[in-house]
Amino acid sequence: AQSVTQLDSQVPVFEEAPVELRCNYSSSVSVYLFWYVQYPNQGLQLLLKYLSGSTLVESINGFEAEFNKSQTSFHLRKPSVHISDTAEYFCAVGLSGSARQLTFGSGTQLTVLP
Amino acid sequence: DAGITQSPRHKVTETGTPVTLRCHQTENHRYMYWYRQDPGHGLRLIHYSYGVKDTDKGEVSDGYSVSRSKTEDFLLTLESATSSQTSVYFCAISEPGTGVGEQYFGPGTRLTVT
Repeated sequence: AQSVTQLDSQVPVFEEAPVELRCNYSSSVSVYLFWYVQYPNQGLQLLLKYLSGSTLVESINGFEAEFNKSQTSFHLRKPSVHISDTAEYFCAVGLSGSARQLTFGSGTQLTVLP
Repeated sequence: DAGITQSPRHKVTETGTPVTLRCHQTENHRYMYWYRQDPGHGLRLIHYSYGVKDTDKGEVSDGYSVSRSKTEDFLLTLESATSSQTSVYFCAISEPGTGVGEQYFGPGTRLTVT
């Protein structure tokens, strides 16, 4: 079985500062990795995903994540955050080849301060 | 936005009463999921379905049952609600043939058991 650990439950950061949200996973087989974002009072939305190929994946709104197999990590980064990035971010893992089920981390609340 | 609705959106019920939550999709996706979201736990899978009348248990299935008689509807039933089932419940859908591992979430149902 796979598991996901998000090391920080709360990350406050000032507007225009860089941010890194950490995610580590555990699995005995190959996995797919995902970041989902949840804005207040909404469901989750896919932010970005790693399936194969380039280990660096990007989203349309400036976030990026790098798959590091040796460190079993998939940290999410943004070089300059905006107030509108305030949300809860979830890392998730699914089994390579199917990903019919996802295992989610406990979430990181990113709060961008003015 | 994916066509997923959940009803009711909010419900308060008493301990010991049965409760049914409904998820309805207009996307004709094969897979449907029920999650619960609790602080510090992220999202945990309750049950999922991979087709009409085909369902399976997730990580936290005790006390819950599901049914799927039509592609578009996935019902979650709490046979006898307990206070530990107070939570926000999310439905999600996916179609493995299109976006691998990508799940689309409904807006959630906030359930309070008193």
